[in-house]
Amino acid sequence: DTEVTQTPKHLVMGMTNKKSLKCEQHMGHRAMYWYKQKAKKPPELMFVYSYEKLSINESVPSRFSPECPNSSLLNLHLHALQPEDSALYLCATAKGFEQFFGPGTRLTVL
Amino acid sequence: GEDVEQSLFLSVREGDSSVINCTYTDSSSTYLYWYKQEPGAGLQLLTYIFSNMDMKQDQRLTVLLNKKDKHLSLRIADTQTGDSAIYFCAENAGNNRKLIWGLGTSLAVNP
Repeated sequence: DTEVTQTPKHLVMGMTNKKSLKCEQHMGHRAMYWYKQKAKKPPELMFVYSYEKLSINESVPSRFSPECPNSSLLNLHLHALQPEDSALYLCATAKGFEQFFGPGTRLTVL
Repeated sequence: GEDVEQSLFLSVREGDSSVINCTYTDSSSTYLYWYKQEPGAGLQLLTYIFSNMDMKQDQRLTVLLNKKDKHLSLRIADTQTGDSAIYFCAENAGNNRKLIWGLGTSLAVNP
């Protein structure tokens, strides 16, 4: 299995909702990432987990809460988001210096 | 500081070669990458090159690295309409697993 999968593919939520994004990999990679990407822009790093421990938090607002329950799963919990948080949220895993991306979740905040 | 620059647009005819250029500033970069992103999709790692190499070839893709000038290029031979996408150059300048990204080059392939 050489894939990074993300669910859901699309998500529409109101500013008072709580939702979660899920990322799964079975490649045995021990580094996992969350990125946010606006249209036609490069991805912006949000969080890095290394061996299930949070190693980098790029000063992301607390309305985004990451969780790594095991080496195969990475979640991003969302609460009280703003319309400007609408973006493509990408998960990635790394083997050595190669990062592999999932297809992303397209999030729209109304 | 760290910076990666790319031209924003490139238009080529089908069957021609495409050359996408990138410059970077951090001389301690160890790996340099090319990612492809098709509309509505995630990022696909196309290829990468280690900083002690000056060329890497993989089928239709050729990566050239000029470390002295901090210049990286991606050549796509026999460009096809399926190559239309945004191509991001990125560098890994340390052990903290962070990538520094260029703004992306939008490649349009005309039939």
